[in-house]
Amino acid sequence: GAGVSQTPSNKVTEKGKYVELRCDPISGHTALYWYRQSLGQGPEFLIYFQGTGAADDSGLPNDRFFAVRPEGSVSTLKIQRTERGDSAVYLCASSLTAGRLDTQYFGPGTRLTVL
Amino acid sequence: AQKITQTQPGMFVQEKEAVTLDCTYDTSDQSYGLFWYKQPSSGEMIFLIYQGSYDEQNATEGRYSLNFQKARKSANLVISASQLGDSAMYFCAMRDLFKETSGSRLTFGEGTQLTVNP
Repeated sequence: GAGVSQTPSNKVTEKGKYVELRCDPISGHTALYWYRQSLGQGPEFLIYFQGTGAADDSGLPNDRFFAVRPEGSVSTLKIQRTERGDSAVYLCASSLTAGRLDTQYFGPGTRLTVL
Repeated sequence: AQKITQTQPGMFVQEKEAVTLDCTYDTSDQSYGLFWYKQPSSGEMIFLIYQGSYDEQNATEGRYSLNFQKARKSANLVISASQLGDSAMYFCAMRDLFKETSGSRLTFGEGTQLTVNP
């Protein structure tokens, strides 16, 4: 079956602009996660959804970052007033549930470059 | 707080040989899970293997095995019979298995770049 998909694969924007990154999880997966991976680093947790609600958003770096999942499937990560330090690969993952043993399956990521 | 340490930025191995990638962790949680992911140059994170802190046996999945030493807080990945396609970045990660919300997040190490030579 289809895996996690993310669009766009690459996004170049100018400092101060607004961007939206989209994640389409594996069909039937109720849990969805966003991570950010800076160059040469491991992924860092941003936010986790169980269904439509954000169950844990403690990883969002500041209030410029916001994510939604209105129908419990597709999620959008929104970044306002982008800064050069926001440049990174944004990874989305989904799991069947948020159960302790459920494997998180990752998408290919969106590479965001802020000029 | 959880912390994962991978001390090998890069590793080299000859094709068909075995290689061990090191991972140590620090946590105050009583129950936790340890994971290994592979990230090829395409960027996608591929799940390889899982070990629960309560598991008495070391996990194995095909050519991958996890050498889990709880007292030493280490969870090394062993890849047997290396193949050229194993060349990638490898990440060790952990999650708490008890906390209701923050237990769902994965905490990753900085990764080890494995190169398999022909």
